[in-house]
Amino acid sequence: DAKTTQPPSMDCAEGRAANLPCNHSTISGNEYVYWYRQIHSQGPQYIIHGLKNNETNEMASLIITEDRKSSTLILPHATLRDTAVYYCIVRVSGGQNFVFGPGTRLSVLP
Amino acid sequence: NAGVMQNPRHLVRRRGQEARLRCSPMKGHSHVYWYRQLPEEGLKFMVYLQKENIIDESGMPKERFSAEFPKEGPSILRIQQVVRGDSAAYFCASSPYQGRDAEAFFGQGTRLTVV
Repeated sequence: DAKTTQPPSMDCAEGRAANLPCNHSTISGNEYVYWYRQIHSQGPQYIIHGLKNNETNEMASLIITEDRKSSTLILPHATLRDTAVYYCIVRVSGGQNFVFGPGTRLSVLP
Repeated sequence: NAGVMQNPRHLVRRRGQEARLRCSPMKGHSHVYWYRQLPEEGLKFMVYLQKENIIDESGMPKERFSAEFPKEGPSILRIQQVVRGDSAAYFCASSPYQGRDAEAFFGQGTRLTVV
């Protein structure tokens, strides 16, 4: 079972920042938070991951709270092509796989 | 650097036939995961393999499904005697090493249709 909780859907205006929240209150100290997205029926696309520090790459920023119980994925300037289902995943200790929950369906509106 | 390559992209099989799905991981990656996505449903883990070894097959159906990742060549997901319920998108992912900080990269999937 997924160890994360995400809102089922969100809307964002094109050009604005999209902030996608994720709760992972039972996360262990050495478990990483990963974000993937799936556009329509394509293969999931890796976005970013982090342990405790905030992370930024060319796609997004990941903000992890100090207690690590929640995080936020930020798409700084959302475009229509960012419309997708976004998955927040905690890499389970001892587990070998990524457990995908239902994710958040982000709709970027013109 | 080519990404994860899956073929075929689309596969149609009649009930009772065999389906063989191939996955070539990214260069330098020796770990492969297979996932299944039924229509309008989420991604479900099936199996995790390292070269020549099955590490975790907890998500594999007990019958008709098998997976391998030989020393040379792609990883193969094999479904024997397919049924209509096997119709789904099958995705594989690869990662360079085993570890919680190792990101996995997915292919574009094989869409299996059983008629």
